[in-house]
Amino acid sequence: GESVGLHLPTLSVQEGDNSIINCAYSNSASDYFIWYKQESGKGPQFIIDIRSNMDKRQGQRVTVLLNKTVKHLSLQIAATQPGDSAVYFCAENWQGGSEKLVFGKGTKLTVNP
Amino acid sequence: DSGVTQTPKHLITATGQRVTLRCSPRSGDLSVYWYQQSLDQGLQFLIQYYNGEERAKGNILERFSAQQFPDLHSELNLSSLELGDSALYFCASSVTPREETQYFGPGTRLLVL
Repeated sequence: GESVGLHLPTLSVQEGDNSIINCAYSNSASDYFIWYKQESGKGPQFIIDIRSNMDKRQGQRVTVLLNKTVKHLSLQIAATQPGDSAVYFCAENWQGGSEKLVFGKGTKLTVNP
Repeated sequence: DSGVTQTPKHLITATGQRVTLRCSPRSGDLSVYWYQQSLDQGLQFLIQYYNGEERAKGNILERFSAQQFPDLHSELNLSSLELGDSALYFCASSVTPREETQYFGPGTRLLVL
């Protein structure tokens, strides 16, 4: 069942297309960022992370881009598959402050076959 | 499977009641985090424990309390429950308190009637 809000940004793509999910973070002092994937009825699952001394990091089919100037983070998923359908959250952490992660609201990705 | 376990999976109770949610972290993880995920608030950090001691506090109500036991499992106690407490409650764990990558359990879905 649904585990996130009704007013989530949504992104609908065709299977095989590339997806780009965006996130605006709040704290200019944040120095570590994570993308999580949450499938319906499950807990958030770690996808990829990036530190503030990097602009780009690549994983398997995923790439995270960080633009500190405008406090923007993006997650690119290549060759999107139906199994990628989920809600995607970005989270930020400021090592100089509290150790908690601050999560964004999330984006719901739907992959159409 | 993240290795973090939570019980119960579902919980239905009435307003004014008290419930206890249980979390077992991944083997070797010393830090436990609790989050609340509701429809309109997204993922909200509640509290963090490290090796039995409270480490950080977030948006946790005074009606809520938590503890971490010597075997490192943690319990979140919710009392004087209100309708608005209905939500998913997630536990996450990490190796150290400053380990940014947190691994989430499957959650407990609480419904207060």
